[in-house]
Amino acid sequence: GESVGLHLPTLSVQEGDNSIINCAYSNSASDYFIWYKQESGKGPQFIIDIRSNMDKRQGQRVTVLLNKTVKHLSLQIAATQPGDSAVYFCAGTGTYKYIFGTGTRLKVLA
Amino acid sequence: GAGVSQSPRYKVAKRGQDVALRCDPISGHVSLFWYQQALGQGPEFLTYFQNEAQLDKSGLPSDRFFAERPEGSVSTLKIQRTQQEDSAVYLCASSPRQGAYGYTFGSGTRLTVV
Repeated sequence: GESVGLHLPTLSVQEGDNSIINCAYSNSASDYFIWYKQESGKGPQFIIDIRSNMDKRQGQRVTVLLNKTVKHLSLQIAATQPGDSAVYFCAGTGTYKYIFGTGTRLKVLA
Repeated sequence: GAGVSQSPRYKVAKRGQDVALRCDPISGHVSLFWYQQALGQGPEFLTYFQNEAQLDKSGLPSDRFFAERPEGSVSTLKIQRTQQEDSAVYLCASSPRQGAYGYTFGSGTRLTVV
């Protein structure tokens, strides 16, 4: 399949370690944020979302943190697995269209 | 079907050729979106349909791009007189409600203009 994000920032983590992926957003009107995972040759896949009235939300093995003061989102993945290898994007919206951030490629080392 | 289906998966077009990309949303989904994803970039919004009405086409790069959803289900993105800068993955997403929540993306169509 084709590659997504040949020149993206890359985060390499050891299998079993925790991963933290960061994202800065610029649109102050965004009130809803999503983290997406994109594997090669596939469309973005929903991981977790958070509304602007929250600063933290937890899912299964994932946590999203939102700091509205500095317009920063982070995605924490616990006990990173080989299947977590992908490109990760944050996206924000205030209406119906998403504005995607620059993705990060996560590489999980065995 | 269970997900958003896009066809073809890959399309190679000669510069100047017209192309049509198809999106089959999840059955019953009201909202449909098209995004363009250049290599190494995040997806960028092109256009939004609510049922058959095209409510926003502000992201379409030029008047060579045209999208339709005549019966409020299947959508087609047409690009006339393709240029090399049109090379990208074109993603379709659908949502059961109005607005941004509950998006499901398809796997996209990779368009290469040679």
